Amino acid sequence: AQTVTQSQPEMSVQEAETVTLSCTYDTSESDYYLFWYKQPPSRQMILVIRQEAYKQQNATENRFSVNFQKAAKSFSLKISDSQLGDAAMYFCAYRSSYSGAGSYQLTFGKGTKLSVIP
Amino acid sequence: ETGVTQTPRHLVMGMTNKKSLKCEQHLGHNAMYWYKQSAKKPLELMFVYNFKEQTENNSVPSRFSPECPNSSHLFLHLHTLQPEDSALYLCASSQVGGKRGNEQFFGPGTRLTVL
Repeated sequence: AQTVTQSQPEMSVQEAETVTLSCTYDTSESDYYLFWYKQPPSRQMILVIRQEAYKQQNATENRFSVNFQKAAKSFSLKISDSQLGDAAMYFCAYRSSYSGAGSYQLTFGKGTKLSVIP
Repeated sequence: ETGVTQTPRHLVMGMTNKKSLKCEQHLGHNAMYWYKQSAKKPLELMFVYNFKEQTENNSVPSRFSPECPNSSHLFLHLHTLQPEDSALYLCASSQVGGKRGNEQFFGPGTRLTVL
């Protein structure tokens, strides 16, 4: 079974600075998807960024980028120019690309609570 | 309404009550999910419905009973719950078979408290 580990329960960053959230995962599969989700306080969980394992190029979405190290099974999220609205719980998630039963399941890490200091 | 909506947003119930959570997705997706989010624990997938058919039941106790009458609506019927069932219950939907990794879109959740 796949597991996702986020080793940083809490982190903080100064406004306008850069922060990196860590995520490692364990899988025996070669093709899969990785996601970072953001859950602001009392608000909906939204997708921040996604990465297909077969792509070597790291995904970027505006101020959000990932460092995907397939061999190391590492998938960190970098937030540049941090803003107050970035304060939230961030969840790393894994999904198999296999199309059979069980393929829809997202496996989540425990999350990292990010605080942004004005 | 857009996206995924859930009602009620907050629910307090006794252990002998029967209540239902409702989820509706307005995205034209064909798969819907129930998750349980407890403090200090990863999100736990409870049920998956694909084209209205239940495809996953992750060893969830029978006091939780899902219902999916069509691809846009999903219910979670609750009865004789325990205090440890208190949590945030999240609904999500996705388009299975799409080209974007079947990313899931989440509702705002129902905060359930069992007394």
